[in-house]
Amino acid sequence: NAGVTQTPKFQVLKTGQSMTLQCAQDMNHNSMYWYRQDPGMGLRLIYYSASEGTTDKGEVPNGYNVSRLNKREFSLRLESAAPSQTSVYFCASRKLYGYTFGSGTRLTVV
Amino acid sequence: AQKVTQAQTEISVVEKEDVTLDCVYETRDTTYYLFWYKQPPSGELVFLIRRNSFDEQNEISGRYSWNFQKSTSSFNFTITASQVVDSAVYFCALHTGNQFYFGTGTSLTVIP
Repeated sequence: NAGVTQTPKFQVLKTGQSMTLQCAQDMNHNSMYWYRQDPGMGLRLIYYSASEGTTDKGEVPNGYNVSRLNKREFSLRLESAAPSQTSVYFCASRKLYGYTFGSGTRLTVV
Repeated sequence: AQKVTQAQTEISVVEKEDVTLDCVYETRDTTYYLFWYKQPPSGELVFLIRRNSFDEQNEISGRYSWNFQKSTSSFNFTITASQVVDSAVYFCALHTGNQFYFGTGTSLTVIP
């Protein structure tokens, strides 16, 4: 089925470890986004990519890097994970005002 | 600055009662979109409705209805005859520029 695919669905990291969250969409959307969701905080924008080859910071970019590898893929990297990055991460893609969200990655940093 | 406020953190209702979820937004932009999403216990985000800033016509979709009032910067959501399956966290969101601004969500529990 068409949509946004995130991998992995669950991950446990030790403090200081690095990892990359993968996101791919097959809807030919130009814009892609990474959000984090914390209890009582709603979703907050980490980074977004308005088009292939461009990335911009959102509300909470510290501790993260992103790569828009091609039109389909937008990855989020944690270089040195911290317990404060324990969260649920959502990737989304957009065409005009139609957003599609992935099913989320639940990350725990211990 | 853009902001979305959902003042109701948690709501509990008995099945078949009506319930209204409040959403107040702030923006200086004249063109924007408002959204409601549902997040059931399984965790995915389910799109419910999108309205643009130029369309204040209220909408009804089955048991769901939305009341958009620019004069009060509100976009409230009502569920009529609530059901247990309506139990979820509901998010109101404002889209302007190239970004979403989410409220903190309202957790709705429908008691059988």
